[in-house]
Amino acid sequence: EIVMTQSPATLSVSPGERATLSCRASQSVTSNLAWYQQKPGQAPRLLIYGASTRATGIPARFSGSGSGTEFTLTISSLQSEDFAVYYCQQYNNWPLFTFGPGTKVDIK
Amino acid sequence: QVQLQESGPGLVKPSETLSLTCAVSGYSISSGYYWGWIRQPPGKGLEWIGSIHHSGSTYYNPSLKSRVTISVDTSKNQFSLNLSSVTAADTAVYYCARQAASGSSRGALDIWGQGTMVTVSS
Repeated sequence: EIVMTQSPATLSVSPGERATLSCRASQSVTSNLAWYQQKPGQAPRLLIYGASTRATGIPARFSGSGSGTEFTLTISSLQSEDFAVYYCQQYNNWPLFTFGPGTKVDIK
Repeated sequence: QVQLQESGPGLVKPSETLSLTCAVSGYSISSGYYWGWIRQPPGKGLEWIGSIHHSGSTYYNPSLKSRVTISVDTSKNQFSLNLSSVTAADTAVYYCARQAASGSSRGALDIWGQGTMVTVSS
C-alpha cells in the first residue's frame, strides 16, 4: 500500500499571503496525484489532478507541482474562502487509491 | 449538472449491515466513469472504501474488503454500499463520488455527494 504523508498538519497564514503545502508518497506515484479542499460540513472539492492541472472552475491562485514522491500545492494569495483542510490523493495504482491525512490552513 | 445524493439509515446497530444508496442525476452511470464510496470519521481524514464500474467490476480497500459489497443498478441510475458486521469504528460521514476512468484526470474524484452521517450504536 502506498502511504501518503502531508506537512505541516496545520498552517497558519494571513490573508493575502502565500501558502505552501507538501505531500509525500512512500513510493513513486509518477504524476498520479490530486488535491482536494474541504470546508467544515462540506464534501471535498477537487482542485488539482495529474499533480498540476487545475480542475474546472478552480482559480489560478491554486497551483500544483511535483512528481514521483514529492508534491506541493501552492495558494499564491490566500482569500478568506481558502481557509480549509487540504488533502492529497494518489491514484497511481488506479482504481485503488489512498489519501493523505490532510493539512489544515487557518487564519494567522 | 451532475449530482450525487446519498441515502440510507443514519443509525445502525453493532454487528448489523450498513446499507447506503447513491442516486446519480444529470449523467448516466452506463456512460462511463467509476463510482466510489469514501468515508470520514468525525474529526478525521478521508478513507476510500471501494469503487464500481457500470459493467459491475468492483475494487475495494484491502482493509475493508472482507466486509464490503458495492453494487450498481443502471436501470435506476444508482449504486449501493453494504458494509457488514459494523462496529463503532464504522461511524462516519459516508460520501459517494464519481471517479474519472480515462484521460489525464483518471483516478480523480471530480463530483461528490453531500455526504450522509451514519452512527453505529445500540
